[in-house]
Amino acid sequence: EPEVTQTPSHQVTQMGQEVILRCVPISNHLYFYWYRQILGQKVEFLVSFYNNEISEKSEIFDDQFSVERPDGSNFTLKIRSTKLEDSAMYFCAVPGTSGSQETQYFGPGTRLLVL
Amino acid sequence: SQQGEEDPQALSIQEGENATMNCSYKTSINNLQWYRQNSGRGLVHLILIRSNEREKHSGRLRVTLDTSKKSSSLLITASRAADTASYFCATDWNQGGSEKLVFGKGTKLTVNP
Repeated sequence: EPEVTQTPSHQVTQMGQEVILRCVPISNHLYFYWYRQILGQKVEFLVSFYNNEISEKSEIFDDQFSVERPDGSNFTLKIRSTKLEDSAMYFCAVPGTSGSQETQYFGPGTRLLVL
Repeated sequence: SQQGEEDPQALSIQEGENATMNCSYKTSINNLQWYRQNSGRGLVHLILIRSNEREKHSGRLRVTLDTSKKSSSLLITASRAADTASYFCATDWNQGGSEKLVFGKGTKLTVNP
């Protein structure tokens, strides 16, 4: 099972501020995913990223969101101008290694609170 | 939409009892997965069952899949207080090569000691 870490674990920000959430998979992955979970609700897909390009995005992933792989290992999710409704847990996920590639393994999440 | 939907929404049982959670979905799938989430924490993958499989076991977990009814069940046998968590089913979106997972709303399981 691949290990994934995320930083920060918690972030509090003011509405309109930019936030950058980071994901660090332990092994080298070409694919990664971002999901979010508003408190008490279901986990929702945001975006998938393959080989340094967005491969798929949801309706939630509007122009305020962007993803990057700035240094070949970390993956980032940026929210340019946060809104109150962006408050949620944000999870990154990576696929399993050979034999279990359909499985996605999730990081511990970043809890974002927009005030 | 594709969403898996679990029932019941909440389940409270005594330690040692079995817990059964159900999941329904709407369109064709390649596989269905179950995840566990402790309160406020990350998602832990439990088990994956492929569309050509009917039943799968992993330790105290038993998952069934009925593609004709578009439903799955997760059975936890001999439950423990540590099994207290929310359980989600997730289906792959079998359209156009998408690899996103579509999650249900989850079942909140409480196992009382």
